[in-house]
Amino acid sequence: AQKITQTQPGMFVQEKEAVTLDCTYDTSDQSYGLFWYKQPSSGEMIFLIYQGSYDEQNATEGRYSLNFQKARKSANLVISASQLGDSAMYFCAMRGTGTASKLTFGTGTRLQVTL
Amino acid sequence: DAGITQSPRYKITETGRQVTLMCHQTWSHSYMFWYRQDLGHGLRLIYYSAAADITDKGEVPDGYVVSRSKTENFPLTLESATRSQTSVYFCASSDPGRTDTQYFGPGTRLTVL
Repeated sequence: AQKITQTQPGMFVQEKEAVTLDCTYDTSDQSYGLFWYKQPSSGEMIFLIYQGSYDEQNATEGRYSLNFQKARKSANLVISASQLGDSAMYFCAMRGTGTASKLTFGTGTRLQVTL
Repeated sequence: DAGITQSPRYKITETGRQVTLMCHQTWSHSYMFWYRQDLGHGLRLIYYSAAADITDKGEVPDGYVVSRSKTENFPLTLESATRSQTSVYFCASSDPGRTDTQYFGPGTRLTVL
C-alpha cells in the first residue's frame, strides 16, 4: 500500500519569492511515480509535474521543480518566483507498481501568495 | 479539443434517490477513474476502469456503481444517495505509458439533503 503525507496544511509566501511544499511518501515498490497537482479556487485539478522513481534528474516544468530525495522518500515541490495566481491547494500523489495507474493522494497544502 | 467533461456540474438530490454522474473523454484513454474529494481526505478513489467492460473497486466503493460500455464514457451511479455521499466528484483518465499521468474533469458538486 502507498501513503502520501503532506504535513503543511497551509503556507504563505510573498510574491516573487520561492516556496517549497513538502511531500513524503511510503511504499515498498521499487518502481513508482510521483505527481503534483494544483487546485485553484475554481476547483479543477491541474497536473503540474511528474517524477519517476528511476529518473536520475529532478523534474522541472517552467517555474515548478521537484526536489526528489529517494532515500528520504520525499518529493517536495518547489515553486520559484511565486505569482498571485499560484494561490491554490496543491496535492502530492503517487502511483505504485502494478496498480493500474491508480493514484494515492495526500491531503494537500493550501498556498497563499501575498503582495 | 474538449478533453474530459463531467455533467452535471452541480446536483442537489434527496436521500434515497438514484443519481448518475456522467463522465466523457475525447482522448480515447484506456483508463478512467472516479474520485471523491472531502475536506481533510484529499481525493479518494471510488472505482476505476482499465478498458471498456473492465471495472474494479477503489478505496471507497460502497454505495456506488459504475459501468463502461464505451471507451469514452464512464458513468457513476449512486443507487440510493445518502448524506455521507455529499462531496465533490472528479472523473479522470489516463493512457498507459511512461508517466500514466491522469487528467481530470472539472468535477461535479453533489449535495444530498
